[in-house]
Amino acid sequence: GQNIDQPTEMTATEGAIVQINCTYQTSGFNGLFWYQQHAGEAPTFLSYNVLDGLEEKGRFSSFLSRSKGYSYLLLKELQMKDSASYLCAVRSRSNDYKLSFGAGTTVTVRA
Amino acid sequence: DAGVIQSPRHEVTEMGQEVTLRCKPISGHDYLFWYRQTMMRGLELLIYFNNNVPIDDSGMPEDRFSAKMPNASFSTLKIQPSEPRDSAVYFCASSSVQSNQPQHFGDGTRLSIL
Repeated sequence: GQNIDQPTEMTATEGAIVQINCTYQTSGFNGLFWYQQHAGEAPTFLSYNVLDGLEEKGRFSSFLSRSKGYSYLLLKELQMKDSASYLCAVRSRSNDYKLSFGAGTTVTVRA
Repeated sequence: DAGVIQSPRHEVTEMGQEVTLRCKPISGHDYLFWYRQTMMRGLELLIYFNNNVPIDDSGMPEDRFSAKMPNASFSTLKIQPSEPRDSAVYFCASSSVQSNQPQHFGDGTRLSIL
């Protein structure tokens, strides 16, 4: 089975940096995705990691360590609109294109 | 470009009634996924299709749930008979065959069973 853990909630101040951690234990590994989901809306794709290291996309970066079963999503220069749930999802090789999602981390940005 | 289109956006019905949710994936995508999201259980995969063929339906909760994909541009998720515990947001997503391509989600159907 799949076990994906991320913190339930995080709070940060506008302009600050927040790091959302995700640890996983899966039968095989074939990529890790981060999604953003605003309340009442659909998840939207943020980033993808399949090799170790850091992927940077503007204010958002995502890191992966396959040996540690660990990823983080880094949000820089936080804005009020970044208040949302952030979902970590893992694709395991044995399950082809199926994704297993973590429960999500609710980030609240305060002025 | 049109994204994944789901209908209806909202559905309120009484328990025991049949519910049909519809999805049109992004044109050219080979994979279609049905998810259910609740506060208690998060986002759960119910079933997914590749080239219109069901690949994994292990997430379908029970026989009351069924899904079909008669062609590359249309899929349905049916619940019959519906129960209050089926109340949730149901998402459809699609993706292309390349492994690094993400799943794109529709806006979801918010289902309430009274």
